[in-house]
Amino acid sequence: GIQVEQSPPDLILQEGANSTLRCNFSDSVNNLQWFHQNPWGQLINLFYIPSGTKQNGRLSATTVATERYSLLYISSSQTTDSGVYFCAVEGQGAQKLVFGQGTRLTINP
Amino acid sequence: SQTIHQWPATLVQPVGSPLSLECTVEGTSNPNLYWYRQAAGRGLQLLFYSVGIGQISSEVPQNLSASRPQDRQFILSSKKLLLSDSGFYLCAWREDSYNEQFFGPGTRLTVL
Repeated sequence: GIQVEQSPPDLILQEGANSTLRCNFSDSVNNLQWFHQNPWGQLINLFYIPSGTKQNGRLSATTVATERYSLLYISSSQTTDSGVYFCAVEGQGAQKLVFGQGTRLTINP
Repeated sequence: SQTIHQWPATLVQPVGSPLSLECTVEGTSNPNLYWYRQAAGRGLQLLFYSVGIGQISSEVPQNLSASRPQDRQFILSSKKLLLSDSGFYLCAWREDSYNEQFFGPGTRLTVL
């Protein structure tokens, strides 16, 4: 099945810094999503982005489907950005998302 | 708009006891439904998914089972819980394959 790798596994930054999270996948995808899991466990949808670029406030994402990777950018980090960021992809005909292992982001004040 | 509910929010059960977790979705019809478990605080493991009433696909062999008695209801069950069943259980839905998927608030299960 399709493989998903996220990097880095852990990232510690000071408030105000910028960060880039990467998601590599092993096959063509029809769906790619980015989620943020907050400290209470809730999974929050950030982007539905099987291809192209999207922006939402301080967050933006780019998926280059032909090169099989996606990037999540966080600018001017805040402590509330802390948590685990997951990338999930769906291969053609799969009917289900495959999740990466996540990037744990810690933003210190 | 669509809403997904899970209950209970937290649960503490003794080893060997039965389990029933419920997930319901409002505001849509014939959704795809999913059960995940997060045991290690990071990765999400897909347990079961359903694309219609009575259609259940199992991803991981274990002592858990799933049922979909109604269009927007998805139930996760066990006859006898193991210590290893402890974890955070998340239900998710989407309208169809390739569409955006949304998660419920989760149930935190502790088996003692």
